[in-house]
Amino acid sequence: DVKVTQSSRYLVKRTGEKVFLECVQDMDHENMFWYRQDPGLGLRLIYFSYDVKMKEKGDIPEGYSVSREKKERFSLILESASTNQTSMYLCASSRGGNQETQYFGPGTRLLVL
Amino acid sequence: AQTVTQSQPEMSVQEAETVTLSCTYDTSESDYYLFWYKQPPSRQMILVIRQEAYKQQNATENRFSVNFQKAAKSFSLKISDSQLGDAAMYFCAYRSGNNDMRFGAGTRLTVKP
Repeated sequence: DVKVTQSSRYLVKRTGEKVFLECVQDMDHENMFWYRQDPGLGLRLIYFSYDVKMKEKGDIPEGYSVSREKKERFSLILESASTNQTSMYLCASSRGGNQETQYFGPGTRLLVL
Repeated sequence: AQTVTQSQPEMSVQEAETVTLSCTYDTSESDYYLFWYKQPPSRQMILVIRQEAYKQQNATENRFSVNFQKAAKSFSLKISDSQLGDAAMYFCAYRSGNNDMRFGAGTRLTVKP
């Protein structure tokens, strides 16, 4: 079974803090993704990576950066957290190829005060 | 840009009955993939079913089937013999040839005993 884990289920941070969200997958997947999920908006892609040290912007990259130093790990960084970044963050991974299923982590619910 | 529209924010169905969730999408591409994902309450998102755009035959997975109308850009999900465990948020998703992944806003399905 594919396993995608995220470092925290719940996180509370203050405005201006630097926030790291970690995602690890154990299936040697090439592709990894970060989404945020908000009610009524579904999932919106922040960044994705199709290889180590490679990254592509998604729909809403502003205020975020990512790091992929190892194949199994994909980190999302909020450089200076703001209240409008309060959301559920979902990580996903898949094998290379557009037909491949994405496997999701359990999500991190982030509250920025 | 591709968009995915789920026009039903909420749906309900009686246990053992059949329900259809709607999804339309907008694209100018001819080669793409469509997915339905299920997100149970407080649980991880999982794939329900997927459809390759080049295939005319509708995908089926046990009680789940799709009605894929490529010309109409419609991709509805039919759940037969609904069970209590089918209660969840359902997301329709589109994936293009360049790895761009788009999700709809979701449909919350309630199953009544």
